[in-house]
Amino acid sequence: NAGVMQNPRHLVRRRGQEARLRCSPMKGHSHVYWYRQLPEEGLKFMVYLQKENIIDESGMPKERFSAEFPKEGPSILRIQQVVRGDSAAYFCASSPPGNNQPQHFGDGTRLSIL
Amino acid sequence: QKEVEQNSGPLSVPEGAIASLNCTYSDRGSQSFFWYRQYSGKSPELIMFIYSNGDKEDGRFTAQLNKASQYVSLLIRDSQPSDSATYLCAVNRSPDTGRRALTFGSGTRLQVQP
Repeated sequence: NAGVMQNPRHLVRRRGQEARLRCSPMKGHSHVYWYRQLPEEGLKFMVYLQKENIIDESGMPKERFSAEFPKEGPSILRIQQVVRGDSAAYFCASSPPGNNQPQHFGDGTRLSIL
Repeated sequence: QKEVEQNSGPLSVPEGAIASLNCTYSDRGSQSFFWYRQYSGKSPELIMFIYSNGDKEDGRFTAQLNKASQYVSLLIRDSQPSDSATYLCAVNRSPDTGRRALTFGSGTRLQVQP
C-alpha cells in the first residue's frame, strides 16, 4: 500500500507527557501537511513542510507544538506537556510538487489525554 | 462570516436520487477547490477537485464551480446507501504563493435512504 502512513493509530498520554506522531508521505510526494480535527469540529490546518523545511506554520499553536520533516525518515508532529484539550484526531496529508496538487490523507492518529 | 460555509445537514435523499451538496467561500482569490468524503471515525478521502469555472465529471460525481458567485457544488448521481457520509468542501486560497493550507468547511452529512 503506497498511501500516506501514520503511526500510531491510537495514542494515549497522561497530562504533562509528550506525544510524538509520525507520518510517511505517499511515494513521490515531497510535501507534507498536518491537520487537527477536534471532536465535533472541522479540520484545521496546522503546518506545511517540505524536506528539512517548514514552509507554513500559521496554524500551529505557538507553544508546546513543533513539527519536522527530516532529510531521512518520516515527518514528526511533537506535542510537549500535553493537556486535555489536545485530545483530537491528527491527520497527515501529502501531495506531489507543483501548485494545485490535491492532498491525500492518512488514516490519522487519535490522541487521547487522560 | 466563515471562510468556507456548508449546510451541516443532514441531507436525506432516497436511493437512486441525485444528491446536491453546496459550498460557498469568502476569499475571492481562492484558486483550487476540493471535495472530500469522510465516514464516521475515518480519514478524509479525496472525491473531486476543480480549478476552473464550469463542470467536471468523474463517474457518478460532478463538481461545479462558479467563481463569480464564490460557489462550488458536488452532485452525486444514482445515490447509494454507501454514499452516506460527511462531505467536506476544502479551498486552497493561494497555492502559487507557497501557502497550500486547505481551509475546510464543517461538512454536510448525507444520508441515502434505501
